[in-house]
Amino acid sequence: GAVVSQHPSRVICKSGTSVKIECRSLDFQATTMFWYRQFPKQSLMLMATSNEGSKATYEQGVEKDKFLINHASLTLSTLTVTSAHPEDSSFYICSASNRLAGSTDTQYFGPGTRLTVL
Amino acid sequence: GQQLNQSPQSMFIQEGEDVSMNCTSSSIFNTWLWYKQEPGEGPVLLIALYKAGELTSNGRLTAQFGITRKDSFLNISASIPSDVGIYFCAGLNNNDMRFGAGTRLTVKP
Repeated sequence: GAVVSQHPSRVICKSGTSVKIECRSLDFQATTMFWYRQFPKQSLMLMATSNEGSKATYEQGVEKDKFLINHASLTLSTLTVTSAHPEDSSFYICSASNRLAGSTDTQYFGPGTRLTVL
Repeated sequence: GQQLNQSPQSMFIQEGEDVSMNCTSSSIFNTWLWYKQEPGEGPVLLIALYKAGELTSNGRLTAQFGITRKDSFLNISASIPSDVGIYFCAGLNNNDMRFGAGTRLTVKP
């Protein structure tokens, strides 16, 4: 149990375009989903916390108008990188909390999405 | 946010050797988690610890939740080549999770 998927796994886009990344919890309902960014050889950096049916909470320094997050259902959250630029190229990883697993808020991660902006 | 102090940063070991890594924090956490990440993949949960003093095993992996709630260690016994990867510790309070910088493990056959 506690499987999280992401789509697409890899995307290449032109500068100025928008890219949408989907995160799904496949076998559990996730009231909370998280979006992380990871640079090469570094740890994960939390971008925002997303609660189903409400606005996302963004970490300091993360532009909410640039990284649009929608958490419309208990199994799906989307991250849209708007007007992408080369500096947005990164590895984006989502995670989801599974309260039904008997823990408090253990996070299970998706496989990540590699975004390359040309 | 505040990161945890994870050590060592990297380890180069021979197949069959045991491995030990640890995380410390100046803050208390209610949950400690250990993840493994392979290149191009998301972190995979290895062990979750929910009580201070808890010692939990998952195959060749053993992790403990420090009694002070400010530290945790992960041991890997009899390492094999597929243990290669980056191991992250994470401290969790409700939805606030902090990560260590990771321990990069290389296992020589």
